[in-house]
Amino acid sequence: AQTVTQSQPEMSVQEAETVTLSCTYDTSENNYYLFWYKQPPSRQMILVIRQEAYKQQNATENRFSVNFQKAAKSFSLKISDSQLGDTAMYFCAFMKQNNNNDMRFGAGTRLTVKP
Amino acid sequence: GAGVSQSPRYKVTKRGQDVALRCDPISGHVSLYWYRQALGQGPEFLTYFNYEAQQDKSGLPNDRFSAERPEGSISTLTIQRTEQRDSAMYRCASSLEAGGDNSPLHFGNGTRLTVT
Repeated sequence: AQTVTQSQPEMSVQEAETVTLSCTYDTSENNYYLFWYKQPPSRQMILVIRQEAYKQQNATENRFSVNFQKAAKSFSLKISDSQLGDTAMYFCAFMKQNNNNDMRFGAGTRLTVKP
Repeated sequence: GAGVSQSPRYKVTKRGQDVALRCDPISGHVSLYWYRQALGQGPEFLTYFNYEAQQDKSGLPNDRFSAERPEGSISTLTIQRTEQRDSAMYRCASSLEAGGDNSPLHFGNGTRLTVT
């Protein structure tokens, strides 16, 4: 079984500063995908960033980047130049390769960006 | 177990049939959410409840979809007259506090629905 752990229930950051959200996972698989999703008050789940386990290079999407440490099974999300609109719940998720969307989610981290 | 439980794990049905998907949240959790995830897509919000009251059903795609949580615990998502486009993973999540804004979501493992 795969488990995903987010050890920080809540975090806060000042606008324009950088924050890092932690995620660890447990799997015996070698090929898989990792994701960070954002959930604003609308309850939609918005894909922030995606990482393929076979890629050593860390994924980056504008102000969002990850630190993927495969051996340590760690997948942290760094948000640079935080904006008020980044305030949301953030979920880390794991999916085995070719597993038809069977995602496993962490419990989430509530991020508050303060003006 | 202590987690969110969904049943069945897999459901295959013929087009035109009705299906009922069940979610058993973590005991004591106030809020319960339903999401749908199509192949290759992220989770899409459908509806959520605080206790037995349905707070927001704006995400339900059409009137064939309905959900209930009559006693504020177990919830059922019903799809009537299923169509092939309804095929997806249906996920349930619960949170301890109402609204979920200050409380993490705990997801179930989902029900994979296939409409043939």
